[in-house]
Amino acid sequence: SAVISQKPSRDICQRGTSLTIQCQVDSQVTMMFWYRQQPGQSLTLIATANQGSEATYESGFVIDKFPISRPNLTFSTLTVSNMSPEDSSIYLCSVESGYEQYFGPGTRLTVT
Amino acid sequence: DAKTTQPNSMESNEEEPVHLPCNHSTISGTDYIHWYRQLPSQGPEYVIHGLTSNVNNRMASLAIAEDRKSSTLILHRATLRDAAVYYCILRDDMNRDDKIIFGKGTRLHILP
Repeated sequence: SAVISQKPSRDICQRGTSLTIQCQVDSQVTMMFWYRQQPGQSLTLIATANQGSEATYESGFVIDKFPISRPNLTFSTLTVSNMSPEDSSIYLCSVESGYEQYFGPGTRLTVT
Repeated sequence: DAKTTQPNSMESNEEEPVHLPCNHSTISGTDYIHWYRQLPSQGPEYVIHGLTSNVNNRMASLAIAEDRKSSTLILHRATLRDAAVYYCILRDDMNRDDKIIFGKGTRLHILP
């Protein structure tokens, strides 16, 4: 199993600013994933982050808007850049262990 | 990514069994059937997964049709805590590039 923590748990930000979300795992993992969940919607995969390589982004998501760092096997950050109200969502970090994926509690972002 | 079809919502009485259906008529031979659930204000959590045979664990049972074009998640005795959105997901577990991609899921309401 894996226990995941995220910081901050929630934030209210002004449009045009950037926010960096941190994800910490209690064990070393190869693959980490970042998801977005817009209000009332399902989860959408943003990108996959492997340690030591560039993140792989899903269709509709670009590095300039969502830069990701993966400095070691237990930590990753996702930055939401130049925010607009449409970026208001819950952002979740996830890791894979065996056939299971474990999810963090999420970061609730509101952009005003 | 192969697609799944689930009812938008279902209702069940507390302490009764719940059968959550999922159709996946385009499933490929290497796709595993995964179920996750998302409790209110939490990240998703793994429930169960299987390939061909029925599977049981402490949370639920997974019944897979012989042709694998459908499956049913069975909660043997629902409690109020089981109220959540349940996601049926196909993933080729042997392909490291295949991801957990969420559909809309079924919102399960439990009536006391």
